[in-house]
Parts: sequence; structure tokens; C-alpha cells
Amino acid sequence: GAVVSQHPSRVICKSGTSVKIECRSLDFQATTMFWYRQFPKQSLMLMATSNEGSKATYEQGVEKDKFLINHASLTLSTLTVTSAHPEDSSFYICSAMGLAGAISYNEQFFGPGTRLTVL
Amino acid sequence: AQSVTQLDSHVSVSEGTPVLLRCNYSSSYSPSLFWYVQHPNKGLQLLLKYTSAATLVKGINGFEAEFKKSETSFHLTKPSAHMSDAAEYFCVVSSTGNQFYFGTGTSLTVIP
Repeated sequence: GAVVSQHPSRVICKSGTSVKIECRSLDFQATTMFWYRQFPKQSLMLMATSNEGSKATYEQGVEKDKFLINHASLTLSTLTVTSAHPEDSSFYICSAMGLAGAISYNEQFFGPGTRLTVL
Repeated sequence: AQSVTQLDSHVSVSEGTPVLLRCNYSSSYSPSLFWYVQHPNKGLQLLLKYTSAATLVKGINGFEAEFKKSETSFHLTKPSAHMSDAAEYFCVVSSTGNQFYFGTGTSLTVIP
């Protein structure tokens, strides 16, 4: 099956700094990528959907200037948490859908997640 | 409108006994339905999916689910629980192919 990687798996930063999380599709072209946030013992909350080469579509209540999403290529999307604060601490998960040759995936493939802790 | 309801936030079973995780959905169109499993501090792994083919879907690790349109249900089952099945399970519905709605999750505990 298709593989999605995320980097870093865990990051700790000081309040006020910015953190970039990368999401890569390793063996398929990710035409659509999703970014989720998950609080402990809760379900995933969709933050935004991005299509390659287009601006991301943010869910209601998600600050686009706070959570910058770039999907500049068919294998890479990045989420930058700008001026991070302790309330931004969370588990961030990306997923991707797309194409591998003639195969079109109609399901999401998830990355392993990134644990962000802001001190 | 689409939505997913996972009826149990927590299920506890003994090792070797059957597992039943319940999911009901609401969808205006013919839905695609998915079950994902998440182990602690890990991403989500697809267990199985229904996309308008056979109503009984077999997945990985011995799991299966049956799509019942009349009951708007897509319950996940496994005949015999294993310790490694302890995890969080999410039911997901999609009708448009680009919007996915997650249930709140069911935490499965397996008692040795």
C-alpha cells in the first residue's frame, strides 16, 4: 500500500518560535493532503485540506495565519505552526490521497504523526 | 449532511472472545465507509473499507465489517480478540470522495 511519512516525529520548542512539520508521500503522487490535530483521547480534528499547487482550504475556526500550509509538490506538504504557544501542543497527523500510475486512491493514507510540545 | 456515530466510547473484551465495535452513519448519498485503527502515539492504519461492492468486507488482522443500508450501520467485528488489538478505532464516512467525517473513536481494551 501507499506510504506517508512525517518529520519530525516529536518536537519540543519554546513559546514564540515557529515549527515546521513535513508530510511526504513516498510511493504515490499526493494530489490532496489533509492536516489533522488530535488531542489526548479524542478524535481527529480536520484543520485543512490542500490540493497540490493550490491554497489550502481551512476548516472553520482554524487560523490560516497561525497554521501555514504549503503543498508545492505532489509528494510534499508542510505545516508551519507560527509563533507557537503551549495551547498549540498537540499531536498533528497528515494524510494523503492521490495516484500511483493508473491507480487512483479513494482512501486516505495517514502519516505516523508529529507530537508537538510547546514550553 | 454526513455524520458518524460510534456508539461505544470504550469496549472491553477478554482475549479470545469476539469483538464488536458499533458504527452508525448518516449520509445523503451512497457512502464510502472506513475503519481505521490507531495505536498509542501512532498514525492511523486502514483496517478495511466499503465502497459499494460486497456488503461484507474483510480487512486485515481478521477484522470484518458488514454494510447494512437499512440500518445505516457498519459495525466492525472480529471472532477472537488478541492482545495486540488493544487500540483506538475510528469509523469514517465519505460521500464526496474529498470530505471525510470521523467518529469520536472507540477504545478497545483486551483483558488477558
